[in-house]
Amino acid sequence: GESVGLHLPTLSVQEGDNSIINCAYSNSASDYFIWYKQESGKGPQFIIDIRSNMDKRQGQRVTVLLNKTVKHLSLQIAATQPGDSAVYFCAENYSGSARQLTFGSGTQLTVLP
Amino acid sequence: DVKVTQSSRYLVKRTGEKVFLECVQDMDHENMFWYRQDPGLGLRLIYFSYDVKMKEKGDIPEGYSVSREKKERFSLILESASTNQTSMYLCASSTLDELHFGNGTRLTVT
Repeated sequence: GESVGLHLPTLSVQEGDNSIINCAYSNSASDYFIWYKQESGKGPQFIIDIRSNMDKRQGQRVTVLLNKTVKHLSLQIAATQPGDSAVYFCAENYSGSARQLTFGSGTQLTVLP
Repeated sequence: DVKVTQSSRYLVKRTGEKVFLECVQDMDHENMFWYRQDPGLGLRLIYFSYDVKMKEKGDIPEGYSVSREKKERFSLILESASTNQTSMYLCASSTLDELHFGNGTRLTVT
């Protein structure tokens, strides 16, 4: 199957700064993308999603950008807080079913005091 | 909030043992999934079920089986545990696209 990759395996940011986590996907037919956050010892939690008919979607302190031309997805976290420290990974879906979700391996975000 | 509960957080089993991992969801979701999560490999789908008594193989079903006798419960079975099955196992449920995960079971096979 198609793979979803991340540009950087680790990212360290100062508390209060903005964080940007990137994801490259290779299947141009993918039409739905999700970002998950996984804290230590917990299962992944849904953060935000975006469909391929959009290029930007905002949530609370988070924004997802989708660039279909270069098959790139990013997650922006505003005013990063210590509680944002976690592994973040993206997932893509090209069949409209959760069965076909393909996950990236994750980026470890560390927030420095 | 959707709650997906995995019965064990940590398990240690011996090679050759039969292992049962249990998962229960409380939101009447049709779909349930078992993934394993390994460093650098991301989440890989083992099996999923879209209805009671229905199951389909995922990407890495070898060495595993599943059981779904009730809508809320989905069990993963390791018929004869091997050391290469040491991993974090994640259960999830969903209605449409969004997966809701449990907190995982970390299984060590010695």
